[in-house]
Amino acid sequence: DAGVIQSPRHEVTEMGQEVTLRCKPISGHNSLFWYRQTMMRGLELLIYFNNNVPIDDSGMPEDRFSAKMPNASFSTLKIQPSEPRDSAVYFCASSFQGRGEQFFGPGTRLTVL
Amino acid sequence: GQSLEQPSEVTAVEGAIVQINCTYQTSGFYGLSWYQQHDGGAPTFLSYNALDGLEETGRFSSFLSRSDSYGYLLLQELQMKDSASYFCAVREGTGGGNKLTFGTGTQLKVEL
Repeated sequence: DAGVIQSPRHEVTEMGQEVTLRCKPISGHNSLFWYRQTMMRGLELLIYFNNNVPIDDSGMPEDRFSAKMPNASFSTLKIQPSEPRDSAVYFCASSFQGRGEQFFGPGTRLTVL
Repeated sequence: GQSLEQPSEVTAVEGAIVQINCTYQTSGFYGLSWYQQHDGGAPTFLSYNALDGLEETGRFSSFLSRSDSYGYLLLQELQMKDSASYFCAVREGTGGGNKLTFGTGTQLKVEL
């Protein structure tokens, strides 16, 4: 198994630019999660999808953040415009719906200057 | 809302046993998970308890008491490679309880 795939692994951008993070879940998994991790706030759930449908986006910090899952094998998290406080590691995870085990991707380390 | 508490740091010597506690407050509780994260790495799943009692997986065991809203992760025969952060996470929510809310993590340092 390839595991959860995320790209890019590292992203450095300037304030105001658009950032798009990509995720390919494990084949057959029907739930997908986007998390953000910082020293100050820990590991936060931003949004999750079941069967490509957004179920809970209460963790999305503000309208600058948006996420899509056009099909079962691909999801994006977009930040527009980006701000320095968005600097963090963003993880994508997938699972079978209703299971306690989630499989995390390697993360994208985002730095906004 | 939901909240989880776990110690911020624990230090132990190689070969010892260490217990990392987690207390939680939440609604719609389905179960308690534990994850390990090495510096620079991604969280990896260790164990999951939906029912009261002890679950054992090799050197690691996890316990849950639903009535006490409490669980712990027990690591035996500690090795240097066990130095990492350990997170408890509550599985909760409607529609099958698919949501995980993570604690702030416990940094375990294993010394010689």
